Amino acid sequence: EAGVAQSPRYKIIEKRQSVAFWCNPISGHATLYWYQQILGQGPKLLIQFQNNGVVDDSQLPKDRFSAERLKGVDSTLKIQPAKLEDSAVYLCASSQGSGQDYGYTFGSGTRLTVV
Amino acid sequence: TQLLEQSPQFLSIQEGENLTVYCNSSSVFSSLQWYRQEPGEGPVLLVTVVTGGEVKKLKRLTFQFGDARKDSSLHITAAQTGDTGLYLCAGRNAGGTSYGKLTFGQGTILTVHP
Repeated sequence: EAGVAQSPRYKIIEKRQSVAFWCNPISGHATLYWYQQILGQGPKLLIQFQNNGVVDDSQLPKDRFSAERLKGVDSTLKIQPAKLEDSAVYLCASSQGSGQDYGYTFGSGTRLTVV
Repeated sequence: TQLLEQSPQFLSIQEGENLTVYCNSSSVFSSLQWYRQEPGEGPVLLVTVVTGGEVKKLKRLTFQFGDARKDSSLHITAAQTGDTGLYLCAGRNAGGTSYGKLTFGQGTILTVHP
């Protein structure tokens, strides 16, 4: 089966600019996650979708980050305006469900550098 | 938010050696997963352990879930250069407002030298 697709792979922007990332999960996976992984750290959950509804966005900096999954399939994550500390890898993951037996399938991520 | 502490943070060994990575928390998890991540790629699921005391083997890798479901270990026998990577443990919250949420440890960077 095809994996989780993310684009772009790399992005370099100046601070205060805007950026958007795209994710297409595995077909049929109802649950979609966006994670932020800063170099040397484990991934941190930003937002979790179940179909097109938000389940958990408690750690999403809502003053600058937004995400949507309008048709319950692919998703976009936007940062506006970007700060230097937003430099990180943004990982999208999907799973068949949110129960404890479900593992996550991750995409390759988008490496964002804010200069 | 439940925290997972992994140790060691860095591990540099020679091919053929054995190693153990630990994942500890003061909180109980309903299940725990181990992932391996290579540079430029996303984490890949290795195993899920659910029952306290459970032991799972994946070729040269042995995973154990603590009896109290608060800790886990990953043991690699006769490490190979292909084992090099970032190893992440992730626990699924057992209760509270974050029930079901997957929390990642900070990772262990393993380097196996030929």
